Amino acid sequence: SAVISQKPSRDICQRGTSLTIQCQVDSQVTMMFWYRQQPGQSLTLIATANQGSEATYESGFVIDKFPISRPNLTFSTLTVSNMSPEDSSIYLCSVGRGGLGGYTFGSGTRLTVV
Amino acid sequence: AQSVTQLGSHVSVSEGALVLLRCNYSSSVPPYLFWYVQYPNQGLQLLLKYTSAATLVKGINGFEAEFKKSETSFHLTKPSAHMSDAAEYFCAVSDPIYNQGGKLIFGQGTELSVKP
Repeated sequence: SAVISQKPSRDICQRGTSLTIQCQVDSQVTMMFWYRQQPGQSLTLIATANQGSEATYESGFVIDKFPISRPNLTFSTLTVSNMSPEDSSIYLCSVGRGGLGGYTFGSGTRLTVV
Repeated sequence: AQSVTQLGSHVSVSEGALVLLRCNYSSSVPPYLFWYVQYPNQGLQLLLKYTSAATLVKGINGFEAEFKKSETSFHLTKPSAHMSDAAEYFCAVSDPIYNQGGKLIFGQGTELSVKP
């Protein structure tokens, strides 16, 4: 299965600022996914990042707040913009190699907004 | 649209006892189903997956799950709990139509506690 490197692993940020999270995969993948896990909650899909096209956002998430880049088949970034304490969560990237191959997750970025 | 329901946000068992974590799904097509485990302050690790082959799926760490179409269930079991099994467990479903890696939909999660 793919190996994912996600950075930073954690950060404490001031409200009103932005943080960019990086996700690097050791092999080429078609789709990359960004999830949010709020404290004590399950994972919610933010968006699907496709190489060469705009990301597809889920209901409740917008590009202005969570801009995503996907410059090639092994890398993606998620930016959390104009942060507020409500954005304090774990953000995870994931790749899928078709349902048969399963899905691999990065170790996550633990974000605290103060 | 697919959805997943995990019955019981918290399950507590004694060490050596049977572990049963419940998961029911809703899907308009035969789904792919997954169980993930998340240890404190760590990422998600795949325990096992069902992808339309054998209905009884064996995973890592002694866990297994059985796909029951008639009950739309995919419950996770382990015959004998170990202290190291204490973690959060997530059931997830994906739409196999998007077989290039369709998105996962997660259940609410079940926190497993193991008492000595």
